[in-house]
Amino acid sequence: SYELTQPPSVSVSPGQTARITCSGDALSRKYTYWYQRKPGQAPILVMYKDNERPSGIPERFSGSGSGTTVTLTISGVQAEDEADYYCQSAGSSSSYVVFGAGTKLTVL
Amino acid sequence: QVQLVESGGGVVQPGRSLRLSCAASGFTFSSFGFHWVRQAPGKGLEWVAVLWSDGSKEYYADSVKGRFTISRDKSKNTLYLQINSLRAEDTAVYYCARDNYGDYVMPFQYAMDLWGQGTTVTVSS
Repeated sequence: SYELTQPPSVSVSPGQTARITCSGDALSRKYTYWYQRKPGQAPILVMYKDNERPSGIPERFSGSGSGTTVTLTISGVQAEDEADYYCQSAGSSSSYVVFGAGTKLTVL
Repeated sequence: QVQLVESGGGVVQPGRSLRLSCAASGFTFSSFGFHWVRQAPGKGLEWVAVLWSDGSKEYYADSVKGRFTISRDKSKNTLYLQINSLRAEDTAVYYCARDNYGDYVMPFQYAMDLWGQGTTVTVSS
């Protein structure tokens, strides 16, 4: 298996743009998925296949990638966006899934 | 209502076994693959296992291989996780999650679009 690296924390003021990165050797060849997890709640898929938003996810969430680093961008951050964000990708075969360690987004 | 509801967690002694259940409702259970994911106290999400939608394949994280078994009962719309030889490091909240929005051209790349609220397993003597 391999590792996905995320910054432990990101802090932004309301209305600013938050960028959460995820790095991994295979990310240039594999899709990345992003989950939002608030305390006491189940995770929510907020981005799939690098830059696709599931229905119901606000347009302020977007995804992008460059080489082995992908970025979840939250534009016009709101207080309700404060949560832990996890990136996720797949192994070289169909046999495993890997998560990043998570990034705590704090809205100041 | 589209949902997954886990049950079966509890406090268990090391070396014992436990079976977790995940009841699905509001969608066609047999059309989807499913995962188990866990989160140990103070740690991040850790993928545990996947069962393909046709039931033909199951894969496990190295940390649980040989001790955990994922299965399902389509007649009951229920996913299971059999956990044997429990260890202290298995202490975690266990989530079941529906596989969807992935890339299903071999090799598959999985994603999880519906999660349960989790059930807590504590391994302690």
